[in-house]
This record gives sequence, structure tokens and C-alpha cells, in this order.
Amino acid sequence: AQSVTQLDSQVPVFEEAPVELRCNYSSSVSVYLFWYVQYPNQGLQLLLKYLSGSTLVKGINGFEAEFNKSQTSFHLRKPSVHISDTAEYFCAVSLYTGNQFYFGTGTSLTVIP
Amino acid sequence: DAGVTQSPTHLIKTRGQQVTLRCSPKSGHDTVSWYQQALGQGPQFIFQYYEEEERQRGNFPDRFSGHQFPNYSSELNVNALLLGDSALYLCASSTPQSSYNEQFFGPGTRLTVL
Repeated sequence: AQSVTQLDSQVPVFEEAPVELRCNYSSSVSVYLFWYVQYPNQGLQLLLKYLSGSTLVKGINGFEAEFNKSQTSFHLRKPSVHISDTAEYFCAVSLYTGNQFYFGTGTSLTVIP
Repeated sequence: DAGVTQSPTHLIKTRGQQVTLRCSPKSGHDTVSWYQQALGQGPQFIFQYYEEEERQRGNFPDRFSGHQFPNYSSELNVNALLLGDSALYLCASSTPQSSYNEQFFGPGTRLTVL
């Protein structure tokens, strides 16, 4: 079975400060890894994905994430956040052979002016 | 190019009623998945349709059923609504031709059961 754990439910951070949103996963088979962002009253938008290759992946809006296979982690980072980054962030995995996504419970990022 | 669209945007029903939600996939996509997102939770997979058949199903009761039409659009039906069915219902589309399993999400339908 697959599961995704987002270790922080809420993360407040001051504008222009760096941020890290943590994600750990559990799976007995290989998975693809994703981060999605959800703005209020909207659907999910893909930030970035890890499929294979380089463990550091870059996404939209200045976000990046690092895949660590030994720690089964896929933490999301941004060196300097903006007010507009305030949103809910979801980590997700999908199996190589399947189509179902497994999501974490989300991290609410609040950027403080 | 229109993305994934869903209708209606909001819906209010009472317990015991039935509801139908609709989804049109992104152009070129033939696979539709449905997710339930309860307040404060991550999306939970309900089921997926491909070639007009249910291909995969999550841990949801039979009160949740679906359909896919020849134009790839899809419906989600929920019978005998419970208060706990109140949630944001997300539709996602994809295509087997993708080299990975990226899914494109619609804006969702907010269902409130009173």
C-alpha cells in the first residue's frame, strides 16, 4: 500500500524568507512524485514532478524539490516566498503501473507581510 | 485550449437525495478520474474511467457510481446522500500516451449536504 505524509499542517513564513514543506512517502514499489498547489476555491495545479534522473527538480513559480530515496522524502523548497504563494500544497505519488494518485493531507502555507 | 471543466460549481442537497456531477476532460485526454476532497483533507481517489468503463476504484461505497460517454466526458453519481458526502469533488483527466501519470485537475464542484 502507498501512503503520503506531510509533516506540517500549517507553515507561517515571512515574505522573502525561505520555506521548506516536508513530504515523506511509503511504497513497496517505484512511484512518481508530485507537488500540487491549490489556491482558495480552485482546483489543483501541478508545481513540479519527479519521474527519474536528477534528484533535484525545478518547477513553476521558483519552487524546487529534492527526491531522497533512502529517506523516502520529497521536500518542497523556495528560497524567497511572496504573498502570492499563500495556498495549500499537496504532495502526491502515483505508481509506475497505475493511474491512481495518493495525496497527503496538505500543508497550508501562509506568507506574512 | 480548454482545460478540464466541471459543472455545477456549487450544489446544495439534503440527506437521502441523489446528485450528478459532470466533467469534460482536457482536449486530447481520454481518461477521467474522480476525487473527493473533504474539508482540510487531501483528495481521495474515487474511481477512474477509460474507454467508457470503470478501470480502477478506490475505497468508496457503491452509492458512488459513474459513467463515461463516447466523447470522454464523465458523470459522477452519488445516491442516498449523507452529511459526510459534503466535499469538493475534483475531476482529473489524463491520457495513456503520457510518459508519466500527470493528471490535469478541474476547479471542482462543491457539494453541501444538509
